[in-house]
Amino acid sequence: EVQLVESGGGLVQPGRSLRLSCAASGFTFDDYAMHWVRQAPGKGLEWVSGISWNSGSIGYADSVKGRFTISRDNAKNSLYLQMNSLRAEDTALYYCAKGVRKWLASFDYWGQGTLVTVSS
Amino acid sequence: SYVLTQPPSVSVAPGQTARITCGGNNIGSKSVHWYQQKPGQAPVLVVYDDSDRPSGIPERFSGSNSGNTATLTISRVEAGDEADYYCQVWDSSSDHPYVVFGGGTKLTVL
Repeated sequence: EVQLVESGGGLVQPGRSLRLSCAASGFTFDDYAMHWVRQAPGKGLEWVSGISWNSGSIGYADSVKGRFTISRDNAKNSLYLQMNSLRAEDTALYYCAKGVRKWLASFDYWGQGTLVTVSS
Repeated sequence: SYVLTQPPSVSVAPGQTARITCGGNNIGSKSVHWYQQKPGQAPVLVVYDDSDRPSGIPERFSGSNSGNTATLTISRVEAGDEADYYCQVWDSSSDHPYVVFGGGTKLTVL
């Protein structure tokens, strides 16, 4: 059974940093792309960042480019999102999602999300 | 940047057919994926690559894509289909591909 478990969310002040983690199990982690997708309260889905199976391809939404860094550790079946210079508009539920293929495809499994609240 | 446009809401009676559209410039040249999200739950992939269904998704869910419009069709709608639906594509027109989601459509079963 595929499982994606996010952690690391919480309340943080504007301008500070936070690191999200996603622990994956139930599939061959290094065969698939992984992504972060967020959803602000009462709003729609917004892709944040994605990373290919071997970290050779990485993409970011314009809204986070230069502030967030995605990475993965295939030996630990883990995905990460380093979030710096956080803003109030980064407040959202952050989902970890598994790609259907190594890159450029849909997302077939999602975690339950970790909530990030940016507020003073 | 590439934009996907969905109607904010669609209403349908039980047993009828719901059609949710997703508009984008020449979207027919892209692969479109659809997600269902019920309140308090994570999204679920219901259609991928325009018209394929993941295992476990009922045949009542189908998709099509041509020209400037992709459509998710839900036949014989049930109360349990009430949810938000999002379309998604990759914009690979530049050296830095990125994911685009539509704004979402709330399906109400009357």
